[in-house]
Amino acid sequence: KAGVTQTPRYLIKTRGQQVTLSCSPISGHRSVSWYQQTPGQGLQFLFEYFSETQRNKGNFPGRFSGRQFSNSRSEMNVSTLELGDSALYLCASSLLYREILNAGELFFGEGSRLTVL
Amino acid sequence: DAKTTQPNSMESNEEEPVHLPCNHSTISGTDYIHWYRQLPSQGPEYVIHGLTSNVNNRMASLAIAEDRKSSTLILHHATLRDAAVYYCILTENNDMRFGAGTRLTVKP
Repeated sequence: KAGVTQTPRYLIKTRGQQVTLSCSPISGHRSVSWYQQTPGQGLQFLFEYFSETQRNKGNFPGRFSGRQFSNSRSEMNVSTLELGDSALYLCASSLLYREILNAGELFFGEGSRLTVL
Repeated sequence: DAKTTQPNSMESNEEEPVHLPCNHSTISGTDYIHWYRQLPSQGPEYVIHGLTSNVNNRMASLAIAEDRKSSTLILHHATLRDAAVYYCILTENNDMRFGAGTRLTVKP
């Protein structure tokens, strides 16, 4: 079956702009999590959505937001981009949300690489 | 802050076993131990997980210390395709924090 699909794979923005990234989870998966990966900070959790509701949120400013649609597809938005937002943004899907999925598996996409100039 | 400690890098020869250590001295009774790996230019990939007992799957084995304060991921026959960054992660409820991981280099 198809894996987690993220679009776009690469994009370049300038400071102050906003960006929207899309994630289509594996068919049947209802939970989508977003992570930011940078060389300095590694992989950091952004937020998790399950059944269109945000279940958990990491320690990121309000410029980072997300949503999930009824078909489980998810988008994340970053407003007023800063140079430090340059990163690989990874989406992961799972059948259930993490609170009851301690023993479960996350399936990651290949990521969207954002460069902010 | 990551609750695990791993060596920054390790090297192995092809077809030899590799033992990747992870220390998690502050592990709680309900923390699961997960391992993921990330190949170049790809998202992380699930490898294995366990709670108390040693675990085996087609990719690897996970050996968990009796006091659960450390664990070891074992790749029985390393191949060039196993070259990746390996992350040891503790999960409890909604918290899944990736540390810096161990960069494994496999030499032919």
